Amino acid sequence: EPEVTQTPSHQVTQMGQEVILRCVPISNHLYFYWYRQILGQKVEFLVSFYNNEISEKSEIFDDQFSVERPDGSNFTLKIRSTKLEDSAMYFCASVGPLNTEAFFGQGTRLTVV
Amino acid sequence: QQPVQSPQAVILREGEDAVINCSSSKALYSVHWYRQKHGEAPVFLMILLKGGEQKGHEKISASFNEKKQQSSLYLTASQLSYSGTYFCGTEQGGRRALTFGSGTRLQVQP
Repeated sequence: EPEVTQTPSHQVTQMGQEVILRCVPISNHLYFYWYRQILGQKVEFLVSFYNNEISEKSEIFDDQFSVERPDGSNFTLKIRSTKLEDSAMYFCASVGPLNTEAFFGQGTRLTVV
Repeated sequence: QQPVQSPQAVILREGEDAVINCSSSKALYSVHWYRQKHGEAPVFLMILLKGGEQKGHEKISASFNEKKQQSSLYLTASQLSYSGTYFCGTEQGGRRALTFGSGTRLQVQP
């Protein structure tokens, strides 16, 4: 069964450092999303990406965040200068052409120290 | 604006039934239900679309009241594997990205 893969599974970084989280969505999917989940809390929408550009973003997705699809397969989330409150599980999700269920990756646990 | 889920937590014995509710103050295009086990990614359960179409798994049922902007997830004859946190995600107000509720923690005990 096709799946969304995310790397790394866990990243520890120092406050102020840049991090790049990587995702490989399902190959024929067209819509890509980043969500985050602070420990014990709900899943929060960050940004959606369609047709090689951002289609929606939330209030959380400020200038410190950026997304890219550098090639035909990878979808990345960059945080330029990490803060302690960026510590969370970051999930990538993709949705197929019929635009129904979202398939989530296993997540990257980001710990900012 | 995030949907509101109730109850926040449920404890069941195996074989018992549960209902989880999700409501929104905004007009909904669709409601999605996901289950998340501790430390894992959310897993799709069901989608309910405006107009009555449903897509999901055979053993789980749900309803979508478009007038009230509410959805309910019905878990019958619960099994230990049903334990986890259930999230509803809604597409609302023209926004295609899912906005998730705070979750309902379900624990099924032997």
